[in-house]
Amino acid sequence: GEDVEQSLFLSVREGDSSVINCTYTDSSSTYLYWYKQEPGAGLQLLTYIFSNMDMKQDQRLTVLLNKKDKHLSLRIADTQTGDSAIYFCAENNNDMRFGAGTRLTVKP
Amino acid sequence: DTGVSQDPRHKITKRGQNVTFRCDPISEHNRLYWYRQTLGQGPEFLTYFQNEAQLEKSRLLSDRFSAERPKGSFSTLEIQRTEQGDSAMYLCASSEGSRRQGQPQHFGDGTRLSIL
Repeated sequence: GEDVEQSLFLSVREGDSSVINCTYTDSSSTYLYWYKQEPGAGLQLLTYIFSNMDMKQDQRLTVLLNKKDKHLSLRIADTQTGDSAIYFCAENNNDMRFGAGTRLTVKP
Repeated sequence: DTGVSQDPRHKITKRGQNVTFRCDPISEHNRLYWYRQTLGQGPEFLTYFQNEAQLEKSRLLSDRFSAERPKGSFSTLEIQRTEQGDSAMYLCASSEGSRRQGQPQHFGDGTRLSIL
């Protein structure tokens, strides 16, 4: 099974907020990442957070880290149709380990 | 465009043939990574280089796979005697700094390999 777990699907309406959740297992991970993948493309780095932080905000994106529960979330405010993609959470200690991805569908 | 570049984007070949993929990393990045991604999964680590040295290989990298980065710039990934199970997207990423520093990895658009 995956060391990094994510729910597989999320559907929201345009303009709503999206929250994508992730749990990881390696408490010694120093960085945690969110990547976006559109069809036929590679992974685009969205944002990342150092493990000694609990929140990071970057325009419409907010990352929350609960290190005690090993839980990471990505909130996208005012979700747009262009945000439809697969979102991957990843942890990095020595190896970069990815979740299976959450497919976000944004309905107009 | 100064991002990670991979070539070809798509490769279709018959089982048993050899294939080679190329990756050109971001120029100032000293670390280069190869991953494999199958449908519905996240990328799985295959191997990485610091400059020209191949420092780690995953157990996923069978004897049929070989990767090189001869001058510490571009890298090639070769698969010999391809099998059906090799069908996947092969992704390359690069980063600067130390691996343990967790510098973010920047990905190319991948090479999609289809084995007939």
